[in-house]
Amino acid sequence: AAGVIQSPRHLIKEKRETATLKCYPIPRHDTVYWYQQGPGQDPQFLISFYEKMQSDKGSIPDRFSAQQFSDYHSELNMSSLELGDSALYFCASSLAGRLAGVSDNEQFFGPGTRLTVL
Amino acid sequence: RKEVEQDPGPFNVPEGATVAFNCTYSNSASQSFFWYRQDCRKEPKLLMSVYSSGNEDGRFTAQLNRASQYISLLIRDSKLSDSATYLCAVIFGSASKIIFGSGTRLSIRP
Repeated sequence: AAGVIQSPRHLIKEKRETATLKCYPIPRHDTVYWYQQGPGQDPQFLISFYEKMQSDKGSIPDRFSAQQFSDYHSELNMSSLELGDSALYFCASSLAGRLAGVSDNEQFFGPGTRLTVL
Repeated sequence: RKEVEQDPGPFNVPEGATVAFNCTYSNSASQSFFWYRQDCRKEPKLLMSVYSSGNEDGRFTAQLNRASQYISLLIRDSKLSDSATYLCAVIFGSASKIIFGSGTRLSIRP
């Protein structure tokens, strides 16, 4: 079965540079979520989108922005990168509506983008 | 105090043993509950959703106790491949974001 696709898988940037992370949700999923996982920590929610509109916002720095496009893929834009932004960035997707055999709120994670800021 | 708390472990048990993890949550408006498994440097993989009636999937059994605000995961006949970090995950109220516990590390020895 198709899973969540993220690109790039690895990214190395210098301080104060910008980065764009991409996420392609599972086909027919309408909601995407972004999470940040620092070393030795649990994933922390950043932001989510449902039907191309921001649906929830967590601990996302003002330097970061995100959007969901008409094909449901999402991009996380990160500017003025700091050393502390080095982390794994996961995208997850879910299907908001109820369908037979599908539980709502179940989120499926992509393989992540490992961002290293030097 | 974290909204979702887990014993970080590590749990180190022999192959074939039964092991149980607990997780407590602070918000009584919590709506959805899950267990995820995460291998080192990989993404969290959904292990199972947790329902009030309890649910079982092979060697894995999950229970939810709303009155005491905890969920549990029981692994029977543990295998070497069960070694991983197990993350408790909760969705509060109408929000859709997951709040994770800090994870419990499980190591199965031969």
